Amino acid sequence: KAGVTQTPRYLIKTRGQQVTLSCSPISGHRSVSWYQQTPGQGLQFLFEYFSETQRNKGNFPGRFSGRQFSNSRSEMNVSTLELGDSALYLCASSSSSGGASTDTQYFGPGTRLTVL
Amino acid sequence: AQTVTQSQPEMSVQEAETVTLSCTYDTSESNYYLFWYKQPPSRQMILVIRQEAYKQQNATENRFSVNFQKAAKSFSLKISDSQLGDTAMYFCAFFNFGNEKLTFGTGTRLTIIP
Repeated sequence: KAGVTQTPRYLIKTRGQQVTLSCSPISGHRSVSWYQQTPGQGLQFLFEYFSETQRNKGNFPGRFSGRQFSNSRSEMNVSTLELGDSALYLCASSSSSGGASTDTQYFGPGTRLTVL
Repeated sequence: AQTVTQSQPEMSVQEAETVTLSCTYDTSESNYYLFWYKQPPSRQMILVIRQEAYKQQNATENRFSVNFQKAAKSFSLKISDSQLGDTAMYFCAFFNFGNEKLTFGTGTRLTIIP
């Protein structure tokens, strides 16, 4: 099976702009989670989608939003970008159908966002 | 809320030696999963090993094994016969059934010296 893919791999934006990141999960996986990784804050959970519904959300401002499509692909949007949004954004997918093996999250290569 | 603590920011070991990475966590839950992920310089997060809290037997995956002490809330990773390709950041992570999220530790940067 192909792994989790994320596009684009690199992005450079300026403050105030908005950005959309895309994630395609492993075939058959219905859960997609997003994480932000920064040197200062480490890895932090943004949100999780399952069957087109946001099931869980982390402690991020409303500028961070997401959605999931019927084919389980997910997008994450950040509006009104700030310098502090510069980070590696990681997407992970799982089957989430009960049990350790299906709840295990597999990660994509990430999107490196730089805000100038 | 769960917390995960990795007290060793950096470690280095000679190739072929054995190294143990420490992880402790805090939770009031009785059932959960624990993971070790590695993140090499490529930044791809790769699953190393998984442990279900209800299983007393420690998980093993080839050269990788864990020492899971549920009462002590400890979950260390042992890498045997270390290889240059093991050089990476290693993250311990706690999975919460309630909110389906992974809570990560701050990571241990492991360097294998040739």
